[in-house]
Amino acid sequence: TQLLEQSPQFLSIQEGENLTVYCNSSSVFSSLQWYRQEPGEGPVLLVTVVTGGEVKKLKRLTFQFGDARKDSSLHITAAQPGDTGLYLCAQSGEYGNKLVFGAGTILRVKS
Amino acid sequence: GAGVSQTPSNKVTEKGKYVELRCDPISGHTALYWYRQSLGQGPEFLIYFQGTGAADDSGLPNDRFFAVRPEGSVSTLKIQRTERGDSAVYLCASSLSLAGGPPYNEQFFGPGTRLTVL
Repeated sequence: TQLLEQSPQFLSIQEGENLTVYCNSSSVFSSLQWYRQEPGEGPVLLVTVVTGGEVKKLKRLTFQFGDARKDSSLHITAAQPGDTGLYLCAQSGEYGNKLVFGAGTILRVKS
Repeated sequence: GAGVSQTPSNKVTEKGKYVELRCDPISGHTALYWYRQSLGQGPEFLIYFQGTGAADDSGLPNDRFFAVRPEGSVSTLKIQRTERGDSAVYLCASSLSLAGGPPYNEQFFGPGTRLTVL
């Protein structure tokens, strides 16, 4: 099983600041997914990246997949308190089924 | 439409007891997954079903854990002789199918059942 490392573990910032969180592996990802999880809820899929070098934007969120497909980043512009949550990266298994998750980054945005 | 629902939302039990956790997937979804999330960790895969059959149960930690999906819809995760280390949030997810890539195998998660073993 491929180990996914996420950093930082915890991030506390003021509303309006920018931030980047990272997901890394020693092996190549076939594809990578980013999820956001709020307390008491299950993870919600934000994006799937497949192609090395791929960049996807979702409003104020920008997702990047490394050229070598071993790393990914999530950048949030002008963070808002509603962005608070646990951000998880995950890789799907060999047959695209079972997901392997990183430990996540806890983001807290203070107003 | 309704999302994945899980009952109970919270379960407190004593060490050694038997518990059942229920998952109702999104209507029409043929694939169902169970994950376990410990405090400060990401979800960890336990088992998934395609229809009524367990396609992969390699994540079940030991033979105290068992899951069924007798009619290809609702699933029950059963834990025998619970231990304090079983305390976690148990998440269920469903997808349209196992194969076909996104969006067909996109997993939708329920809110989880928080299990506490005293």
